[in-house]
Parts: sequence; structure tokens; C-alpha cells
Amino acid sequence: KQEVTQIPAALSVPEGENLVLNCSFTDSAIYNLQWFRQDPGKGLTSLLLIQSSQREQTSGRLNASLDKSSGRSTLYIAASQPGDSATYLCAARTSGSRLTFGEGTQLTVNP
Amino acid sequence: NAGVTQTPKFQVLKTGQSMTLQCAQDMNHEYMSWYRQDPGMGLRLIHYSVGAGITDQGEVPNGYNVSRSTTEDFPLRLLSAAPSQTSVYFCASSSPLTAGLNSPLHFGNGTRLTVT
Repeated sequence: KQEVTQIPAALSVPEGENLVLNCSFTDSAIYNLQWFRQDPGKGLTSLLLIQSSQREQTSGRLNASLDKSSGRSTLYIAASQPGDSATYLCAARTSGSRLTFGEGTQLTVNP
Repeated sequence: NAGVTQTPKFQVLKTGQSMTLQCAQDMNHEYMSWYRQDPGMGLRLIHYSVGAGITDQGEVPNGYNVSRSTTEDFPLRLLSAAPSQTSVYFCASSSPLTAGLNSPLHFGNGTRLTVT
């Protein structure tokens, strides 16, 4: 059974800092790894999706990497802003219809 | 674009009552699913559907029923609500399966359900 873990559970940083969020998974036989953002009282918004054959994906100030052999993915946020404050979740797809989610990292960027 | 629409946003039920959570998407997505989100447990898959007329169980299906009569709608039914079903429920969909497995999931804004 796939298990996904995110560390740390919460992170507080000053504005402008570069930061890394971590995601680990136990079953390396994944199709892809997705990163989501969740704002309070809202649903999840897909940020980046890394296919199993890829090493990284970039979107603006976000960069996600994937190392299947070690069961790890990281989300790098450059030059953080208060608007980046949210909970970030990763999810591993290990079959056609199932994603396994981590519990998320709650990020606070202080002005 | 409306995307994935869930109704209601909030609901309070008494133990034993029944209700249906509605989910509709206007993106012609074949795949639709229901998750519940609980503190300390993350998101867990309840039921999913890969197309009209096809449904399957996820990780935590007990106490919930689904049907998929159209591509657009995927309602979740609680037949006899229990306090353990107090949670936030999310509906999600993704692109037609012909696009492959690497299609991102689109989420609704959730329904917050309290069972007393």
C-alpha cells in the first residue's frame, strides 16, 4: 500500500526567502507525482505534475523534482510572497484511478 | 468556466438522516471521484467513476453510495448518516482517459458536513 509523507507539517518563513517542501512515498512504481495548493475553505488547485519519466517541472517561481529511486519529491518556491501562504499537498498516482495524498505542509510567509 | 461545482457548501445532519452531495463538471471529464478530508488523515478516496454507468470503490466506501448516469454528474449519497462521517468532502475530475494517466485532477470547493 502506497504511503505518502510530507515534512515539515508546518513552515513559517519571512517574505523573500527561498524554501523547499518535501514529499516522500513508499512505492516507487508511480505514474506521476502531483503537487497541489489548498487555501482555507477551498478545494485543491493543481500546481505541477511530474510524470514518472521526468525529473522536474517548472512553473513560474515553482520547481518540482522527482527521484523515483529514493521515493522523494521536492517543491521549491523561489522568492516567497505572503500570497504563497497555503497548505501544499503532494499526491502519488500508483494506478489508473487512485491517488494517495500526503497530509500537507502548511506554509506561512510573513511580510 | 465553472469547472467542478459542489453543492451544498455546508450541511448539518442528525444521525440516521440521509442526503445527497451533488457534484457537476462542465469539462467533459470522464474520470470523477469523491474524497473526504479529515485532520490527521489527509484525503482519502471514497468512490470513483471512469465514465457514465461505471463506478468503483475507493479506500473508504462504507456508508456511501454513488451513481453515474451522465458524464457531467456524480452524486454521493449518505443513506444513514453517522457522526464518523463528519468531514469535508471533495469531488474531483480529470481529462478524458484517452489523454492518458498524466492528467491533473480538478477539485471542487468542497462540502463541509457535520453529523450530530
